[in-house]
Amino acid sequence: GQQLNQSPQSMFIQEGEDVSMNCTSSSIFNTWLWYKQEPGEGPVLLIALYKAGELTSNGRLTAQFGITRKDSFLNISASIPSDVGIYFCAGRDYGQNFVFGPGTRLSVLP
Amino acid sequence: ETGVTQSPTHLIKTRGQQVTLRCSSQSGHNTVSWYQQALGQGPQFIFQYYREEENGRGNFPPRFSGLQFPNYSSELNVNALELDDSALYLCASSFLAGVQETQYFGPGTRLLVL
Repeated sequence: GQQLNQSPQSMFIQEGEDVSMNCTSSSIFNTWLWYKQEPGEGPVLLIALYKAGELTSNGRLTAQFGITRKDSFLNISASIPSDVGIYFCAGRDYGQNFVFGPGTRLSVLP
Repeated sequence: ETGVTQSPTHLIKTRGQQVTLRCSSQSGHNTVSWYQQALGQGPQFIFQYYREEENGRGNFPPRFSGLQFPNYSSELNVNALELDDSALYLCASSFLAGVQETQYFGPGTRLLVL
């Protein structure tokens, strides 16, 4: 079946630093979604990508749909303490259902 | 706030019992998907309902079943509960039309099976 890999698994950064994380798949996808989840809550949608090569921003967040359609990355600029959480990517191919990665756990040190 | 609500928020059951979880989808959405999220893992797809019909199923046994109602709300039923069913159960609603689909999650129901 389809599998997603996310890297890094976890990261500790200083407040103000930029963050980069990525997601790779063994299959081609037509949709990539990025979510953030905080303890005790459901995932919150950050960015949705629908086209290979697409680059989309949401405030300090920027995500790109890889041109091979097998990967996506998420960047966070000038991190702040409230960026702490687990970031999940999810991908889907035509006629299929979403597959989620295992997540990247982000910690921001003051 | 996504407009997706789930009930109950927490639930404790014992092995062998049955449980029903509920989800109200976001206004205007016609599709509900259910996921199981074990501690420290990403959500795993259970099944999806579109216009009251099952529209895809993940690798879960038949004791996991669901319903979608005319108002697009949904239920997840789990029979013969096992200890490994302890998890956060998430529902996500979306509007399915064509190839694009964006899913919005509710806060989840945390199930503990003793």
